[in-house]
Formats: sequence, structure tokens, C-alpha cells
Amino acid sequence: AQKITQTQPGMFVQEKEAVTLDCTYDTSDPSYGLFWYKQPSSGEMIFLIYQGSYDQQNATEGRYSLNFQKARKSANLVISASQLGDSAMYFCAIAPSGTYKYIFGTGTRLKVLA
Amino acid sequence: NAGVTQTPKFQVLKTGQSMTLQCAQDMNHEYMSWYRQDPGMGLRLIHYSVGAGITDQGEVPNGYNVSRSTTEDFPLRLLSAAPSQTSVYFCAAGGTRTDTQYFGPGTRLTVL
Repeated sequence: AQKITQTQPGMFVQEKEAVTLDCTYDTSDPSYGLFWYKQPSSGEMIFLIYQGSYDQQNATEGRYSLNFQKARKSANLVISASQLGDSAMYFCAIAPSGTYKYIFGTGTRLKVLA
Repeated sequence: NAGVTQTPKFQVLKTGQSMTLQCAQDMNHEYMSWYRQDPGMGLRLIHYSVGAGITDQGEVPNGYNVSRSTTEDFPLRLLSAAPSQTSVYFCAAGGTRTDTQYFGPGTRLTVL
């Protein structure tokens, strides 16, 4: 069984500052993927970043990076230079490799302050 | 490319009614899935399909049916709607090397 834990229900960050959203996971699968999605108030789910369990380097996509610590079973999302448009819910998810069967966390609501 | 499309965007049903939520994708991805999102919770997998003619149950399949006759379409059928099925429903498609899924805009369903 797999599980994702997001312990921060809500966070605030000042515009232009960096912010880290926490995600810890539990899995017995030897190979898995970790994903982050953004859900703005309009409701759609937007893919941000992916990290494979065997990837040696942390994933980066523009202002998003994933701080992957396999031994600690954590996959924190780092957003650099926050923008007002980053205000949204952020979900972490895990899936065994090759299955697409995502297990989602409960999300973190991020508010960027001007 | 429209990606993943869903219809309708909103729907209100009475208890016991049946309906079909439509999902289509133009990315030629083999994998498609349906999730529901309830307040305060993450998305939960209802049903998924690894290709035309192949479907399987996810975490919360009761009360829902699916079929996959083409690569493009993956409808979700509610057989006899119940208030507990009030939720936002997302369809997703994936087929990349990294198992990434792309979601449709969602259908907000209310069952009275």
C-alpha cells in the first residue's frame, strides 16, 4: 500500500520569496514516481514536476524543483521567486512505476502575499 | 490539441437517476483514468484503463461503470446516483515514459 502525507494544510509566502511545500510518502514498491500538481481556484489540475525513484538528480522545471530525499521518504516541492499566480492548492502524488495509479495527498493551500 | 476534455462541466441529478460523464483525449495516450475529489481530500482513483477494451477498478469503484471502446474516449457511468457521489470528477490520460497524467477540467456533480 502507498500513502502520501502533506502536513501543511495552508502556507503563506511573500511575493518573490522561495517556499517549500512538504510531502512524505510510504511505499513498498521498489520503483515509483512522485508527482506534484497545482490546482488553482478555477479547479483544473496542472502537472508541475515528476521525480523517478531511481533518478540520481533532483528534478527541476523552471521555478519548480523537487527536493528528493529517498532515505527520508520525502519529496518536497520548492517554488523559487513566488508570484501571485502561484496561489493555489498543491497536491503531491505517488504511483508505482508503469501503473499510473496515483495516490494523492490532501494538499497544501499556498497563498502568495503582495 | 485540446488535451483531455470533459462534459458536462456541471450536473445536478436526483437520487436514483443515471448519467454518463464524458471524457475524450486527443493525445493518443493508452492510459486513461477517472478520479473523484471530495472536500478536504486528495483525488481518489475510481476506474482506469490501460488501453481500448481493458478496464479495471481503482480505490473507490462502487456505483460506477466504465468501458473503453476507443483510445480516445473513456466514459464514466453512474448507475443509480446517490448523494454520496456528489463530488468533482476528473478524467486523466497518460502515456509518457515518466507515467505523467494530464487531467481534464473536471465535472462538478451534485446529487440531491
